[in-house]
Amino acid sequence: ELKVEQNPLFLSMQEGKNYTIYCNYSTTSDRLYWYRQDPGKSLESLFVLLSNGAVKQEGRLMASLDTKARLSTLHITAAVHDLSATYFCAVDISGGSNYKLTFGKGTLLTVNP
Amino acid sequence: DVKVTQSSRYLVKRTGEKVFLECVQDMDHENMFWYRQDPGLGLRLIYFSYDVKMKEKGDIPEGYSVSREKKERFSLILESASTNQTSMYLCASSPGTGWTSAFFGQGTRLTVV
Repeated sequence: ELKVEQNPLFLSMQEGKNYTIYCNYSTTSDRLYWYRQDPGKSLESLFVLLSNGAVKQEGRLMASLDTKARLSTLHITAAVHDLSATYFCAVDISGGSNYKLTFGKGTLLTVNP
Repeated sequence: DVKVTQSSRYLVKRTGEKVFLECVQDMDHENMFWYRQDPGLGLRLIYFSYDVKMKEKGDIPEGYSVSREKKERFSLILESASTNQTSMYLCASSPGTGWTSAFFGQGTRLTVV
């Protein structure tokens, strides 16, 4: 059974600081997704990582994938309040058809002034 | 923009009622999914469908059924609602091939009393 573990589950940061969210998974996969969820809202796709060594960046967020270590990271640079949200990683082992995305439990990020 | 629309944002139902949650997508996606989101548990897959009239169980199908009579519509059915089915339900869709992310609806918060 695939297990996807995120840590930390709760993260309180000061504006301007850097931090990393980790996503470990238990079964071989080379497809990993990061989503953002604002309170009361649905999930918004952030990054799609499709191969070992993949790195994607958007603004203050950068995601990477190490398939050998079964680890993805979401790095936050110089956090701002607008980044406060819950972040989920999800792993797909279906063969690229998005049949079964298995999600981590999410990391609730709070960025304080 | 891809749109995944769920018929209700909030529902309150009584124990034992039969409940229908409806989801429609407008991007001609082959795959559709129903997830349940609970605090501390993340998103868990209930059922998914990769074609009209095709369905497969996810990780927590007990107490639920689904229907997909048309490509754009995927319904989740609670045969006899129970209080432990009080939750946020999220519908998603994705293309049948390729590596794009799944797109999520806005969610239905169901309360069973």
